[in-house]
Amino acid sequence: QQQVKQSPQSLIVQKGGISIINCAYENTAFDYFPWYQQFPGKGPALLIAIRPDVSEKKEGRFTISFNKSAKQFSLHIMDSQPGDSATYFCAASWSSNYQLIWGAGTKLIIKP
Amino acid sequence: DTEVTQTPKHLVMGMTNKKSLKCEQHMGHRAMYWYKQKAKKPPELMFVYSYEKLSINESVPSRFSPECPNSSLLNLHLHALQPEDSALYLCASSLTTGDSYEQYFGPGTRLTVT
Repeated sequence: QQQVKQSPQSLIVQKGGISIINCAYENTAFDYFPWYQQFPGKGPALLIAIRPDVSEKKEGRFTISFNKSAKQFSLHIMDSQPGDSATYFCAASWSSNYQLIWGAGTKLIIKP
Repeated sequence: DTEVTQTPKHLVMGMTNKKSLKCEQHMGHRAMYWYKQKAKKPPELMFVYSYEKLSINESVPSRFSPECPNSSLLNLHLHALQPEDSALYLCASSLTTGDSYEQYFGPGTRLTVT
C-alpha cells in the first residue's frame, strides 16, 4: 500500500511532441505528489508538485494531472525538447512525514 | 541560495579504508537526509536528521556512520565497506521533516568500493 507505481520505464518522444508519464498509488493518506527530474551525474531536482485538492497544475511546459478517484497522477511535458531528456521520478508523501515514496523512474529521451 | 553541496564528487576506496562524505546547505533547513542511489533506481533513504538529531535510521549497516556537527553540515563516515556499497550517495535537505515532499538534493558523491 506504500508503493507508487510508475510507467513507462522508458519513453522516446520526438522533439516538439508531448511526453506523458503516469503514476498510481494506493495509500489515500498521501497528500502531496511531487515530480523530480534527474540528469545523469546530478541529484534529483523538484520539478513540480500537486496536492489532491487540485486536478491540474501547470508550470510552463510541465503539467501535472491528478485523478483522486482513480488514485492516479501524470506528468505531461508539452513541446518536449532535447534538454528535457532525463529520468523522471514521481513520488508521494503525507503531512508531517519524513518519507518520500518514490516511483521506479522513467528514462525520457527526446529525439531531435 | 538553494544549493546543497557535496564533497568529494568521486571517491574510490578499498574495503579496509575509512573515508568521509561531506554535505553542506545554507538554506536554514533543519532536516537533512542521506540517500543511496543505485543505477536506474530511485533514491533509497538511509538516515534523517531533524534539528541536528538523528531521527531515522533505515536499518543501515553500522559501516555507515552519520554525523551532524551543526545545522548546515552533514557527514557520512564510511568504514569497511563492501563492493555492493558502490553507488551514488545523495544528501538532501528540507525546511523540516514535515516538508519532506520538497527536498533539495546535492549532486551526489559517486562511490566505488574496490
